[in-house]
Amino acid sequence: DAGITQSPRHKVTETGTPVTLRCHQTENHRYMYWYRQDPGHGLRLIHYSYGVKDTDKGEVSDGYSVSRSKTEDFLLTLESATSSQTSVYFCAIRDAYNEQFFGPGTRLTVL
Amino acid sequence: AQSVTQLGSHVSVSEGALVLLRCNYSSSVPPYLFWYVQYPNQGLQLLLKYTSAATLVKGINGFEAEFKKSETSFHLTKPSAHMSDAAEYFCAVSELQGAQKLVFGQGTRLTINP
Repeated sequence: DAGITQSPRHKVTETGTPVTLRCHQTENHRYMYWYRQDPGHGLRLIHYSYGVKDTDKGEVSDGYSVSRSKTEDFLLTLESATSSQTSVYFCAIRDAYNEQFFGPGTRLTVL
Repeated sequence: AQSVTQLGSHVSVSEGALVLLRCNYSSSVPPYLFWYVQYPNQGLQLLLKYTSAATLVKGINGFEAEFKKSETSFHLTKPSAHMSDAAEYFCAVSELQGAQKLVFGQGTRLTINP
């Protein structure tokens, strides 16, 4: 158990509303990542963080922002949700052996 | 840029038969390679990883994978399929340094027939 939790686990929202997803780790790892999973695409990187207040964009970052004010928390925000952002979102941490461990996921539906 | 191709979005085998899931990668230098498994409504679990120490990598649940540089492949095998192996499998590649962002293949759904 890599000590990663995500909240909420499920969310239904309407187009145009802001949404924030939270990833929490208990093991003080430096690197954290947000991916989205869509059928036929596997997982794609949205943003990642390499320390408090240090973040960078991934492959599919448009429409998303992130923040990391504490080592243990990495927040993903959809400023104005769109139907194309309906997806399953996974947070991951990277341990000292360069292995990434994934949280349980958040299923987001944008109507 | 790195990329991963998994051949076959759906593979079906009989219980007790050989499991072979194919993965080919594209990278300018030998990368790290990973196989993950995802059971329904769960997150991803690391099965095994290649980090240049040995070309044949053994993982959990009886799975193994062989790194073949000449073929740019990292196929996943298991000698005898079990019903509990039914899941979706993802191959991924990452750079050796820096952020080590994972680039995933599209996944292969494995079905086990009784």
